[in-house]
Amino acid sequence: AQSVTQPDIHITVSEGASLELRCNYSYGATPYLFWYVQSPGQGLQLLLKYFSGDTLVQGIKGFEAEFKRSQSSFNLRKPSVHWSDAAEYFCAVGAATDSWGKLQFGAGTQVVVTP
Amino acid sequence: ETGVTQSPTHLIKTRGQQVTLRCSSQSGHNTVSWYQQALGQGPQFIFQYYREEENGRGNFPPRFSGLQFPNYSSELNVNALELDDSALYLCASSLTDGLSEQFFGPGTRLTVL
Repeated sequence: AQSVTQPDIHITVSEGASLELRCNYSYGATPYLFWYVQSPGQGLQLLLKYFSGDTLVQGIKGFEAEFKRSQSSFNLRKPSVHWSDAAEYFCAVGAATDSWGKLQFGAGTQVVVTP
Repeated sequence: ETGVTQSPTHLIKTRGQQVTLRCSSQSGHNTVSWYQQALGQGPQFIFQYYREEENGRGNFPPRFSGLQFPNYSSELNVNALELDDSALYLCASSLTDGLSEQFFGPGTRLTVL
């Protein structure tokens, strides 16, 4: 069965510290991978995506993610967190065979940034 | 260039009623997808519309239906509302290419009492 797992429901990090959010997937087809961020009352904003090529992907707002096929993971990282990074983060997977771009989302990780 | 807009922002209904949610896609996008996001969960794919036809559907019953209009705007209709239908409903627009980015609207918060 296809699934996306974000093991951490909630993460608290100090401003200026590094952040890593975990994402594991189980997908039969070649996966396309995404990270989205959702602030309260807002829709989802795409941070970055991986389709193929270089497994280290750079996104907006200083985020990056690394695709590790052997571990079925696509973890999101940021070297130095800002207070504005407090939000909920979702990992999502799409299948290469789905020409209509259906996305399957994880349950999300809530990030709290402390001073 | 305007982004994806949704209306209304909030809505309260009672069980058994019907509801219509609306979405205007981003300029130049002809594909619209709808997602349901229950509290504390990730979005769940409901269906997608492309050129006014349903182009894929998730695990949702037939009482969830939709329309897409010639201007690519879209409606989500839910009949016979149930308490579990309470959620944030997100609309996303994209180009026809399934690999392209989906741009999400702010959502409609539906509460069923």
